[in-house]
This record gives sequence, C-alpha cells and structure tokens, in this order.
Amino acid sequence: DAGITQSPRYKITETGRQVTLMCHQTWSHSYMFWYRQDLGHGLRLIYYSAAADITDKGEVPDGYVVSRSKTENFPLTLESATRSQTSVYFCASSVREFFSPLHFGNGTRLTVT
Amino acid sequence: GQQLNQSPQSMFIQEGEDVSMNCTSSSIFNTWLWYKQDPGEGPVLLIALYKAGELTSNGRLTAQFGITRKDSFLNISASIPSDVGIYFCAGQRSGGSNYKLTFGKGTLLTVNP
Repeated sequence: DAGITQSPRYKITETGRQVTLMCHQTWSHSYMFWYRQDLGHGLRLIYYSAAADITDKGEVPDGYVVSRSKTENFPLTLESATRSQTSVYFCASSVREFFSPLHFGNGTRLTVT
Repeated sequence: GQQLNQSPQSMFIQEGEDVSMNCTSSSIFNTWLWYKQDPGEGPVLLIALYKAGELTSNGRLTAQFGITRKDSFLNISASIPSDVGIYFCAGQRSGGSNYKLTFGKGTLLTVNP
C-alpha cells in the first residue's frame, strides 16, 4: 500500500541501548522529517532531510542520529537511549519544502526504562 | 523556538454543538495550518491558510487566518462523535518552509453522543 510506514509501532528499551526507528514512504517525496510528541510540548522537529544524503538538525536533535541513503527510507537512531527520550515519534514527508502539506506516519511509541 | 498558544487545551461537548478553538502568537506567521490527530494515528491536515484574512471551509470545518497574522481560528459546526481527537494548529514564518513549522500544543476534543 502506498503511504508512509513506521516501525515498530511500540518499543521498550533500556537506558543506554541503541535503538533505531524506521520510516519508509512510497510516494517518492523528497522531504522527510522526524518529530517527537510529548505532553505539554506538542510536536517538535528532531531532524529533517531534503533528499538522499542531505540531512539537517531541527529543534531538538541532541541524542539522535539520522541517515538517508535512499529517498524512501529515513531511519532515526537513538545512540544511547535515555529516559527523557521516552516519547511518541512521528515520521513525515512532503513533496516540496514550501507550501506543501506534511503527511505523517502513525507513530512509534518508545519507552526507555 | 517560536511559541504558539493554542486554546482551549481540552473541550467536552455534546454531539450537535459547535466548537471553536484558536491559536495565537506574538510573532507574525505567513501560513497557518490545522491538523487533526485521531487516537493512535498521525496528524492529518484539515485546512491550510496562506493569506491574512482568508476564510476557508472543509465540510463542517471552517478556519480563518487572522488579519494581524498572529492568530488563527478553527470552528467545527454540528459536532459528531468522529470529531473526537486532538486538533493542532501550526504556523510557518517567512517563506512557508516546512523546516520552520511550529506546532501548537493541541486541543483535545471529546464529543459525548
């Protein structure tokens, strides 16, 4: 099915572990984004990418790493998970940078114990 | 980052009632967007506003881009149970870039049948 798919939907990990959240889109959108959603903060941008091999930091990038070797995939890695990274993570994509709606995945709920 | 004040934080209404919510900012925005998030899913774009004073409808939803460019309003008429969810406003400053999208903290809407 066409769309944007995130995996896993739920993940529990321990403090200090590395964990990777996957995002795959079938629209061939150039622009992809990672957000985290927390109570009291709304949605905050972690990283974004304009194309394969082009990534940049958003508002809250510390503790996260991204890569984009292929247009359709944009994985987010927590190199050493901390409890403060417990959150719901959303991947999104858009056709263009400007005046182009974001299409969101269904999210990954991550718990760091 | 830029702050958007979204109110109310939550609403409990009866089916059939009209709903109003708004977002305000101390900064000028060039684009206002309204998203809805159903439980367990990612946000979905409802309405996009690109011009000060613009009034746009999408079915029972109507949104307005404030003349001062510092606020936006969303109205839902004759609410139904499937209107339940979290409604987010989002604003973009100069250029309308998705990299510079700022989200409000959301309004949780509950509709009692």
